[in-house]
Amino acid sequence: DAMVIQNPRYQVTQFGKPVTLSCSQTLNHNVMYWYQQKSSQAPKLLFHYYDKDFNNEADTPDNFQSRRPNTSFCFLDIRSPGLGDAAMYLCATSRTGSTEAFFGQGTRLTVV
Amino acid sequence: GDSVTQMEGPVTLSEEAFLTINCTYTATGYPSLFWYVQYPGEGLQLLLKATKADDKGSNKGFEATYRKETTSFHLEKGSVQVSDSAVYFCALTPGGGYQKVTFGTGTKLQVIP
Repeated sequence: DAMVIQNPRYQVTQFGKPVTLSCSQTLNHNVMYWYQQKSSQAPKLLFHYYDKDFNNEADTPDNFQSRRPNTSFCFLDIRSPGLGDAAMYLCATSRTGSTEAFFGQGTRLTVV
Repeated sequence: GDSVTQMEGPVTLSEEAFLTINCTYTATGYPSLFWYVQYPGEGLQLLLKATKADDKGSNKGFEATYRKETTSFHLEKGSVQVSDSAVYFCALTPGGGYQKVTFGTGTKLQVIP
């Protein structure tokens, strides 16, 4: 089945140690998104790629970066994770002209 | 900007009770409306959607109708089960070139036997 796959499902990282989360998709969608969801809160959009164009939300901290080397893959890099960055990170995709976004299962990040 | 307001939780119901979770939205143009469900420790699953006024989305016994006149998309189920215990998010996408999802704050549902 075509889908959005996030790896790993669970990630533990040390305070201040760079960490990368990955997302791949077999839907051939041209738009990919990263959301951050903290405990008991709604998901919050960090940024998205529209094709190769990167679009940062205004309030996304500089500590968060992203790379999209090709249509299928997108990475979230956290340069120096703090305790406040512990959250579920959700990747999503959509296609221009479609009405919905498709979400992966998420990566739960723990910072110790 | 776009926004979604949904009822505060948690909602606790007995098995086989009727469920309503209220959702209203503010958006320009003609958004698409969604309900997502999130089980503990899991990602988001699309439960149902409606893309235009008066559409009814339905899945697994859940229903919601797109009411443009009241800007609402209330979620209903006639008889809940323990397995329905989860957090439910009402959401919208604006249409156009990309589909940034605007979420409500989520409503936690707990169904007790």
